[in-house]
Amino acid sequence: DAKTTQPPSMDCAEGRAANLPCNHSTISGNEYVYWYRQIHSQGPQYIIHGLKNNETNEMASLIITEDRKSSTLILPHATLRDTAVYYCIPSTAQKLVFGQGTRLTINP
Amino acid sequence: SAVISQKPSRDICQRGTSLTIQCQVDSQVTMMFWYRQQPGQSLTLIATANQGSEATYESGFVIDKFPISRPNLTFSTLTVSNMSPEDSSIYLCSACAGWGMNTEAFFGQGTRLTVV
Repeated sequence: DAKTTQPPSMDCAEGRAANLPCNHSTISGNEYVYWYRQIHSQGPQYIIHGLKNNETNEMASLIITEDRKSSTLILPHATLRDTAVYYCIPSTAQKLVFGQGTRLTINP
Repeated sequence: SAVISQKPSRDICQRGTSLTIQCQVDSQVTMMFWYRQQPGQSLTLIATANQGSEATYESGFVIDKFPISRPNLTFSTLTVSNMSPEDSSIYLCSACAGWGMNTEAFFGQGTRLTVV
């Protein structure tokens, strides 16, 4: 499993875009990049995943660099409900190995 | 999507006893997993629950301590045996509805276990 590096914490103002970086320089060619988040006292929630193309869904956008060694999760208009721990997880299967993640705080 | 229900949601148990946690999914799923989240920590994978066969355990976890059953495609149990205060954690069930990489995992709300 590829190792990941994420900033331990980030702050963002409500209504602004939140950009969460992740380094996964040891990612293998068949590993997707998954993003999950965990809101306090809840189970993790799937956000988005991608292999090498940028992806967008109703929750977020995922930008993966061409060399696939890093990615950025973008929450376009952050709300207070987006306050959570965000996990970037390279994986070939649904057996997810969680790192420490980024604790994102959205401030009013 | 899949909805996962865990029972109990929380429990306080005496050391030396065992607790069985149930995980029920509202649709047939291919893979089920059990995780542990110790206070203030990230999630750690305990094992993959295999239907009709023995679970596959991750390093540091053994069947005698965490026996797991999965009798069908929608149900699994995790037992925490001979509990000690160090077993106080949140235990989470996870399930996937598809094969391969192009699928997502769903999680239950967890079982908060306190061992006294």
